[in-house]
Amino acid sequence: EVQLVESGGGLVQPGGSLRLSCAASGFTFTDHYMDWVRQAPGKGLEWVGRIRRKVNSYSTEYAASVKGRFTISRDDSEKSLFLQMNSLKTEDTAVYYCARSYGDFTFWDHWGQGTLVTVSS
Amino acid sequence: DIQLTQSPSFLSASVGDGVTITCRASQGVRSYLAWYQQKAGKAPKLLIYAASTLQSGVPSRFSGSGSGTEFTLTISSLQPEDFATYYCQQLNSYPITFGQGTRLEIK
Repeated sequence: EVQLVESGGGLVQPGGSLRLSCAASGFTFTDHYMDWVRQAPGKGLEWVGRIRRKVNSYSTEYAASVKGRFTISRDDSEKSLFLQMNSLKTEDTAVYYCARSYGDFTFWDHWGQGTLVTVSS
Repeated sequence: DIQLTQSPSFLSASVGDGVTITCRASQGVRSYLAWYQQKAGKAPKLLIYAASTLQSGVPSRFSGSGSGTEFTLTISSLQPEDFATYYCQQLNSYPITFGQGTRLEIK
């Protein structure tokens, strides 16, 4: 069974940092691109960024709203995805989901359950 | 960035009704469009990909159509479990974007 489990959310002050993790199981992690998506309370879905596979040099893409502040990485040996969030703003408050896809232009067929990040003083 | 506009934003319908949700893109996205269903407190669930391909395990009452800039999601006969929020998503170009969502409620 495919499983994606996020962790690392919590309360952080504006300007602070947080690192989210996503543990994958039940599928060949190295075959997939991995994405982060967020949803502010009561709002819609917002794509955060993507990391490609090793064969694609682990290249990344980011939304403009997080570029330069957030960094996506992965550890294929641990089947884990990470989101390093720096210089956090109150508007980064959201549930953060990880999701898998098969490549550029392809859909996300499995999502994690999400982890809540609250940025507040 | 490609903007996706869903209509309507809110829909009230009864069990057994058929409903259609439209998603319009500000630029062509070919057929790189997906539809997701989200229930309160849960992660989104993939329903349709490549504009019209039904994801495995999704009931056949769901269907999608369109290409380019105009797409539709149709639910042929609403069941109680279908009352949720629906999002379209374009994967044609970065940044990947979503529509604002359509909330489907029981009349």
